[in-house]
Amino acid sequence: AQKVTQAQTEISVVEKEDVTLDCVYETRDTTYYLFWYKQPPSGELVFLIRRNSFDEQNEISGRYSWNFQKSTSSFNFTITASQVVDSAVYFCALVNYGGSQGNLIFGKGTKLSVKP
Amino acid sequence: DVKVTQSSRYLVKRTGEKVFLECVQDMDHENMFWYRQDPGLGLRLIYFSYDVKMKEKGDIPEGYSVSREKKERFSLILESASTNQTSMYLCASSPQGAPYNEQFFGPGTRLTVL
Repeated sequence: AQKVTQAQTEISVVEKEDVTLDCVYETRDTTYYLFWYKQPPSGELVFLIRRNSFDEQNEISGRYSWNFQKSTSSFNFTITASQVVDSAVYFCALVNYGGSQGNLIFGKGTKLSVKP
Repeated sequence: DVKVTQSSRYLVKRTGEKVFLECVQDMDHENMFWYRQDPGLGLRLIYFSYDVKMKEKGDIPEGYSVSREKKERFSLILESASTNQTSMYLCASSPQGAPYNEQFFGPGTRLTVL
C-alpha cells in the first residue's frame, strides 16, 4: 500500500530561521514519483517540485532545497532564511509509476507559520 | 497565464439540496480532478476524468457524481447534500502523458451544508 506521512502538523518559526518539513513515504514499487505542493492562505495549491525514484540528487531552488533519501524513504523540504510569505500549508505526495494520474497520494500537510 | 477556475469561492446550501460545483480550465488538459480537503485529513480524491465523458472513482466517491461533457469543464454534483459534505472542494487539471505531470489547482470552493 502507498502512504505519505507528514508527522509535523504545524510548525512555527521566526523570520530568517531555517526550517525543515519532513515527508516519509511507503510504497512497494521501485519506480515512483514524489511531489511537494504549497497551499498559501489564498487556497490554491502550487506545484514546487517533482522527483522520480531514480534521481536521488538533492535539489536547490533559491531558498528551497529538497533532500531525497531512498534508504530512509524520505523526501524532506528545507526553507532557508524563512520569510513571512512562506507561511502556508505544504503537502508531500506520491504516485507509483504505472498507476493512473488519479493515484496521487497526498500527505496530510504541514502548516508553516513564519512570524516577523 | 494558465488557469483553473471554480464557480464559487463560498457556497451555503441546505441538507437535501442538489449542489453543482463547476470547474473550468483553459490549458486544454486531458485530466481533471476533484478533491476534498478537510482539516487533519489532507486531500482526498473524489473523482477524476482523463477524457471527455470518461470518469473514474477516487477514494471517496460516495454521495458524489461528476460530469464531463466538454474537455475544459468538470462538474462535481452532490445529489442530496448532507452536513458531512461540508468541506473545501478543490479542482485540478493536468496534461496527459508521462510521466505524471504536475497538477494545476483552482482556488477551491468552501461548501457549507446546513
